[in-house]
Amino acid sequence: SAVISQKPSRDICQRGTSLTIQCQVDSQVTMMFWYRQQPGQSLTLIATANQGSEATYESGFVIDKFPISRPNLTFSTLTVSNMSPEDSSIYLCSVQGRGEQYFGPGTRLTVT
Amino acid sequence: QKEVEQDPGPLSVPEGAIVSLNCTYSNSAFQYFMWYRQYSRKGPELLMYTYSSGNKEDGRFTAQVDKSSKYISLFIRDSQPSDSATYLCAMSETGGFKTIFGAGTRLFVKA
Repeated sequence: SAVISQKPSRDICQRGTSLTIQCQVDSQVTMMFWYRQQPGQSLTLIATANQGSEATYESGFVIDKFPISRPNLTFSTLTVSNMSPEDSSIYLCSVQGRGEQYFGPGTRLTVT
Repeated sequence: QKEVEQDPGPLSVPEGAIVSLNCTYSNSAFQYFMWYRQYSRKGPELLMYTYSSGNKEDGRFTAQVDKSSKYISLFIRDSQPSDSATYLCAMSETGGFKTIFGAGTRLFVKA
């Protein structure tokens, strides 16, 4: 298993601003994943981040809105840019074992 | 048709009941099957993880996979109020990294 921490755990932001979410894993992993979970919904994959390469974004998500950094094998950041109330969600960092996935505690973002 | 179907509930049971949670799927290439528990305002916690078909038991929890029917189940015996949470099924292919999640079933266990 993997132990994943995220910062901040929650934040309230004004529209038009940006927030950077940090994800730290207790072991080296090749791929890290960023998910969004909107209220009452299941998990939606935003992008996959490999160390040393550009992140791969899912349909509906773009780099300008959700830039991702992956400077090493244990750390990644997701920035939510130019926020609007529709970005209010829980953002989750995840890593994969052999086939199973492990999640961080999430960052609860509210945009006013 | 969604790749993974899961009844969102809510499902309400009395304490001590046996709970059955289920998912169906359409992709026969799925080999890894997972159940997550998510408490309100928390990240999903991996409960059970099964590779291919069969049963797996861990304490009060039993996971079953029937690949011929493309159907997976999670049973909770002697349910407790602390089991009240949303349960998500998830699955992925061998060698693949994309995990597909069900919608999640909200479970309430009443004392």
